[in-house]
Amino acid sequence: KQEVTQIPAALSVPEGENLVLNCSFTDSAIYNLQWFRQDPGKGLTSLLLIQSSQREQTSGRLNASLDKSSGRSTLYIAASQPGDSATYLCAVRPYNTDKLIFGTGTRLQVFP
Amino acid sequence: GAGVSQTPSNKVTEKGKYVELRCDPISGHTALYWYRQSLGQGPEFLIYFQGTGAADDSGLPNDRFFAVRPEGSVSTLKIQRTERGDSAVYLCASSQTSWAGNEQFFGPGTRLTVL
Repeated sequence: KQEVTQIPAALSVPEGENLVLNCSFTDSAIYNLQWFRQDPGKGLTSLLLIQSSQREQTSGRLNASLDKSSGRSTLYIAASQPGDSATYLCAVRPYNTDKLIFGTGTRLQVFP
Repeated sequence: GAGVSQTPSNKVTEKGKYVELRCDPISGHTALYWYRQSLGQGPEFLIYFQGTGAADDSGLPNDRFFAVRPEGSVSTLKIQRTERGDSAVYLCASSQTSWAGNEQFFGPGTRLTVL
């Protein structure tokens, strides 16, 4: 059974720091991995999608890497800003299923 | 519309009542998904539609939960005899096709509270 774990559960940093959020999954048989952002009381905003054949994806200050064989992904946030404060969720799409399996998220707070 | 929309945004009901939650996917998206998110947890899969048919309903917790998508666009999640444990945020997502590599786009969710 696929399980997704995110560490740390919560993170509080001063503005300007570079951050790494971690996501691990137990079964490497996945089609892709998606990183999402969730603001309090809101839905999920897709940040990056990495296909199983890819190693990384970049969007602005965000960079996500995928090491499928070791069951790990990292989300790197450069020069963090208070507006980056949110919960970050990763999710994998396992082979032969149509659903995403989510981690429990990392709650990030960036203070001025 | 530009994104996935869900109505109502909030629903408060009493134990034992029936509720319907609506999802409007992104125009032209053929795949539609329902998830449920409890406080402090990641979303959990409920059901997936490809077109009008439910291709995978393995995540529905019991037979009180049912979903339809009669014309292959709007979907309704129906919950009978609601219980306090059904309280959660119900999220809908859509993707362009059922191809496994497609990105899923989520709506803002419906927060259901069962008193």
